[in-house]
Amino acid sequence: DAGVIQSPRHEVTEMGQEVTLRCKPISGHDYLFWYRQTMMRGLELLIYFNNNVPIDDSGMPEDRFSAKMPNASFSTLKIQPSEPRDSAVYFCASSLEGGLAGGYNEQFFGPGTRLTVL
Amino acid sequence: AQSVSQHNHHVILSEAASLELGCNYSYGGTVNLFWYVQYPGQHLQLLLKYFSGDPLVKGIKGFEAEFIKSKFSFNLRKPSVQWSDTAEYFCAVTFNFNKFYFGSGTKLNVKP
Repeated sequence: DAGVIQSPRHEVTEMGQEVTLRCKPISGHDYLFWYRQTMMRGLELLIYFNNNVPIDDSGMPEDRFSAKMPNASFSTLKIQPSEPRDSAVYFCASSLEGGLAGGYNEQFFGPGTRLTVL
Repeated sequence: AQSVSQHNHHVILSEAASLELGCNYSYGGTVNLFWYVQYPGQHLQLLLKYFSGDPLVKGIKGFEAEFIKSKFSFNLRKPSVQWSDTAEYFCAVTFNFNKFYFGSGTKLNVKP
């Protein structure tokens, strides 16, 4: 199994531009999570999906952030417009069904996308 | 509110020293406990997990953790660290099988 796949691995953009991050979860996993990691705030859960449906987006910082999961094998996280404070590493993770919010099973993380907004 | 605390933010050890990283969580019913490791420039990987049974859990690469329910703790240990253990370590907890809460992480630097 290829594991969780994220693209791009690195993204450098200018303030105001739209950024789209992509994730392919492990086949058969029911939950998909988007995290943001920064030095200041550590690892933050932004949003998670169960069977392609967004369940909890309370971690999304503001309306500039949106996430979709059109099918079981693909999800996007979009930032529009981007700002320098959005610079971070964004991780996608997936897990099998279990408990609520997948809380019974380990999460498998992708390699992350390092986003730099100038 | 449910939370996870890692009090050691940065630990520096020499090779062969013993390691113990602290993890405490707030009370919140049934807990599942995890330790993840993030090597420099890489993604998070699972080291070990506890769901039930023996509170002393063995993980990969010689790591172990002990669940002490009375202390709300799940400390990570390794008797003898290696330079290759240099990484950031995250404790994570789920409460009542609900969503993950991650600690703020502990950066471990092992000097050769």
